Amino acid sequence: GQQVMQIPQYQHVQEGEDFTTYCNSSTTLSNIQWYKQRPGGHPVFLIQLVKSGEVKKQKRLTFQFGEAKKNSSLHITATQTTDVGTYFCAGKGGGTSYGKLTFGQGTILTVHP
Amino acid sequence: DVKVTQSSRYLVKRTGEKVFLECVQDMDHENMFWYRQDPGLGLRLIYFSYDVKMKEKGDIPEGYSVSREKKERFSLILESASTNQTSMYLCASSLRGPVYEQYFGPGTRLTVT
Repeated sequence: GQQVMQIPQYQHVQEGEDFTTYCNSSTTLSNIQWYKQRPGGHPVFLIQLVKSGEVKKQKRLTFQFGEAKKNSSLHITATQTTDVGTYFCAGKGGGTSYGKLTFGQGTILTVHP
Repeated sequence: DVKVTQSSRYLVKRTGEKVFLECVQDMDHENMFWYRQDPGLGLRLIYFSYDVKMKEKGDIPEGYSVSREKKERFSLILESASTNQTSMYLCASSLRGPVYEQYFGPGTRLTVT
């Protein structure tokens, strides 16, 4: 079945440093979504990428979808303590139906002030 | 705002007990999902439903069953709870189709002793 691998599992940064998490799928994806889960909270949708090579920005966050639609990344510029949490990518394969997503393992980000 | 509620935040059950986890959404979403979240494993799909009385197995359905008698309600059933089912259980809902985000409930932390 479809697998989505996400690295790194943990990332510790000093406030102000940049952060990147990477997501790789074993199969071509029709789209990819990113979610953020704050400590003690539940995952919250951030963004969706659909087109090959697509790049989207949300303030300090930059999301990319690979040309082959098998990988994606999330980059945060100049991290802040409010960025703390777990970031998940979730991909939808072309053959799956009804909006079923396969989630990566998540990257846990800690930011030291 | 979409609201997804789950019947309990914390639950403690004994091995062999039958356990019901309830999820209710108030936005008329066709899709509903049950995930379990374990450290280092991300979100793993147990079952999902794309319509009333319709269900499909996810990646880890063994030991679980589901029920969807009304559109807004999706129940997860552990027929005979075991200690390896101790986990965080997250319910989510979405509109039908490949491009809609999922909205998550607050989660139920289940401990089976």
